[in-house]
Amino acid sequence: GQNIDQPTEMTATEGAIVQINCTYQTSGFNGLFWYQQHAGEAPTFLSYNVLDGLEEKGRFSSFLSRSKGYSYLLLKELQMKDSASYLCAVRGPSNYQLIWGAGTKLIIKP
Amino acid sequence: GAVVSQHPSWVICKSGTSVKIECRSLDFQATTMFWYRQFPKQSLMLMATSNEGSKATYEQGVEKDKFLINHASLTLSTLTVTSAHPEDSSFYICSARSDRDDGYTFGSGTRLTVV
Repeated sequence: GQNIDQPTEMTATEGAIVQINCTYQTSGFNGLFWYQQHAGEAPTFLSYNVLDGLEEKGRFSSFLSRSKGYSYLLLKELQMKDSASYLCAVRGPSNYQLIWGAGTKLIIKP
Repeated sequence: GAVVSQHPSWVICKSGTSVKIECRSLDFQATTMFWYRQFPKQSLMLMATSNEGSKATYEQGVEKDKFLINHASLTLSTLTVTSAHPEDSSFYICSARSDRDDGYTFGSGTRLTVV
């Protein structure tokens, strides 16, 4: 079956670093996406990994290990505006559908 | 960058009426459109996938006669919620896959409330 796991909720302090993990078990793999979603809004694209390794984009980085079925999103220099849900999604091999994790709600405290 | 315009952003309708939600890709051709619904504090639930000019593929448990999807052109897809009931109240979001890259662009979402 298809399964994507990520923690339900995490709390971090403004200015700190936080790592949000995502593990997946899917029948086929064609890339992993991370999205940010603020309450009541649509998701916005953060990163895409299809090969193993680290992709860095400003304060956000994403890592992928295909052999372990594992990814993480690393957020540095946390700001209050980073309080949101972070969604991990794996693209399957057919029809470009994304398989979504339940999302991790990140709470930033001053 | 790629933009998908979704409207209305919110709508309140009476039980039994129908509501149409539009998603339009503004500067690219959306070869595939995905329609999601999302309940509060839950993740996205894929309802259906549509490719331009062909019938939508619905996920298990989604009533195709209730949620009518039309993808008549490469820039426009619509979702019509027919005979709406209060349990259809939800956040509906479209996502378009571009023909020019591997990205997915989301519309801004439609908050539907059925009273």
